[in-house]
Amino acid sequence: AQTIHQWPVAEIKAVGSPLSLGCTIKGKSSPNLYWYWQATGGTLQQLFYSITVGQVESVVQLNLSASRPKDDQFILSTEKLLLSHSGFYLCAWSRDSYAEQFFGPGTRLTVL
Amino acid sequence: QQQVRQSPQSLTVWEGETAILNCSYEDSTFNYFPWYQQFPGEGPALLISIRSVSDKKEDGRFTIFFNKREKKLSLHITDSQPGDSATYFCAASGEKITFGAGTKLTIKP
Repeated sequence: AQTIHQWPVAEIKAVGSPLSLGCTIKGKSSPNLYWYWQATGGTLQQLFYSITVGQVESVVQLNLSASRPKDDQFILSTEKLLLSHSGFYLCAWSRDSYAEQFFGPGTRLTVL
Repeated sequence: QQQVRQSPQSLTVWEGETAILNCSYEDSTFNYFPWYQQFPGEGPALLISIRSVSDKKEDGRFTIFFNKREKKLSLHITDSQPGDSATYFCAASGEKITFGAGTKLTIKP
């Protein structure tokens, strides 16, 4: 069975500080990987997707970047956090671009 | 541009009643429609899904009705239970996926 793990569970960071969030998928080789952002009570906004190692596509510009250093790992980062970055960050995977997506448990980010 | 619309924004029904959540979309190239259930503080979980070649999909107490001509679908939850209280997201997918804004469902015991 496939499992998806996100770290950390929660972060409280200062405006202007750097950030790195991680996601690991186990039990599935060469998955498509996705990063989503969700405001409190809001919808799911896709930020990035990756279909292979080393290749990442940006969907929206939010002063964030993503990388896929390994087949099973997806990293979301920024050098300077903004207040608007606060929210719930979700990693998801799918078998391919047309298959259902499965979400991780999420990381709650609070920027003060 | 909101390609996937959900209504109502929030819904309250009594335990044992049927909850009906609505969804519509604009892009006729969408051909796959998953519904996700999300509890506070958790990631969304795939609940049930339907492909555009079907007009109905049933899984226990959850049923999707799909009208391709009108670009509408609905999720029916029969015999609603307090544990069904959650936010439900409709999504539409072709090559890319788009999520609706969600319906917050509350089941009163």
